[in-house]
This record gives sequence, C-alpha cells and structure tokens, in this order.
Amino acid sequence: QVQLVQSGAEVKKPGSSVKISCEAPAGTLFTYGISWVRQAPGQGLEWMGRIIPLLDVPKYAEKFQDRITVTADRSTHTAYMELKSLRSDDTAIYFCARDVRGAYYNVLTGYHYYMDVWGNGTTITVS
Amino acid sequence: SYELTQPPSVSVSPGQTARITCSGDALANKHTYWYQQKSGQAPLLVIYEDAKRPSAIPLRFSGSTSGTVATLTITGARVDDEADYYCYSTDLSDNHWVFGGGTKLTV
Repeated sequence: QVQLVQSGAEVKKPGSSVKISCEAPAGTLFTYGISWVRQAPGQGLEWMGRIIPLLDVPKYAEKFQDRITVTADRSTHTAYMELKSLRSDDTAIYFCARDVRGAYYNVLTGYHYYMDVWGNGTTITVS
Repeated sequence: SYELTQPPSVSVSPGQTARITCSGDALANKHTYWYQQKSGQAPLLVIYEDAKRPSAIPLRFSGSTSGTVATLTITGARVDDEADYYCYSTDLSDNHWVFGGGTKLTV
C-alpha cells in the first residue's frame, strides 16, 4: 500500500509563509508527480498546483500563481509546498497526492496527470 | 476560469442506483476523474479517464460521459457509499484543472 506521509499541523500569523512536506516511497518522484490540493473547513476540494517528474516543471492554478512554490527533492523522495502572504482564508487542510501520467497527450501541453494516492493532509491555521 | 457543476446533493435508498452528474464545457474533449471523500478522510480515486475503475474499487461504481456531462453511477448503492463525490477535469487549454463543487450522496 503506497503511503504519502505529510508534515504536521502548522499555526501561522497572517502575512507569514509556510512550507509543508510530503514524503513518498523511495523512487516515487522519478516516475510520478505530486499535486497539492486544499480543503477549507466545510468546503470542497481545490487544486493548487503540481510538479511533473523529471521535468521538474511546476504548474500552478491561476489563483495561487503569485504565492505558491512547489518543489521536489528526488534524493530524499520528498515534495514541498510553500505558500506565502498567508491570509485567514488560507486556513485549510492541505493534501499532497501522487500524480499518475494518464493516457491523454496533447502535442502543445503534454500529458495529463491525475491523482491516485493521497496523503492524510496537513492542517494549516492562519490566525 | 473554468467551472465544473455538480448537484449539491443526491439521495437514494439502499440498493437503488445513484447517479451524480458533472457539467463542464470541455468534458466532451477532456477526461473526467471522480473522487470519493468520506467524512474526515482523504479523497479516494473511484473513476479515472471517464470510465476506468481502479482495481480496488467495487464493480458497482461506473463512469460515463455524454457530450458535456459526465456521470458517476453507483449501481446498488450501499450505506457505506455515503460520502462527498467530486469530479475533476480541465478546460480546453489544459491550463485550468478544477474540481466540481462536490455532491453529498445520502444512502
């Protein structure tokens, strides 16, 4: 059973930054990407961004483009998500998920990736 | 930005068929993915690439797409299937990956 282990809960002040981690089984980041998804209290899922394996090219949702950085360290098989300029409405559970390359390919935009295994989430409270 | 529209809630009796829809302008050309999320848990992939089912997912879960509407069907729904269900896809440019607003299934 593949497991993604996320770092512990964080409490942050408005305006500050947070960096959370997601450790995958050894070798994962050579084959799979990692996506980050958040869920505010009582709300739905919101895709934030992903990092594509080997290319090390991040792709971000437009909403977070100016504040998010997603990185991956293949030597430690750990992915990271940093969010800056935190606001109270950033309070949420943040999930990492393993991205699998799908069958769809576009010559301009490349392959589609989708999330098949999820971490248990990291709670970030901004207050 | 791009939007996927789901009904807020669907309710069926045990053993009945539950159908959850997801509408999006690009769904005729892009794959849809479906996730189940039970209370307090991480999401679980139940359907990928419109109609494919991960090996651990029961046969009663199926997916289909007709035009711009994707449908998750649970045939013979069980009380254990009570959860929030989210569709996930992208727009025609592949630049806006989004989840639908989620549908609460009551069995």
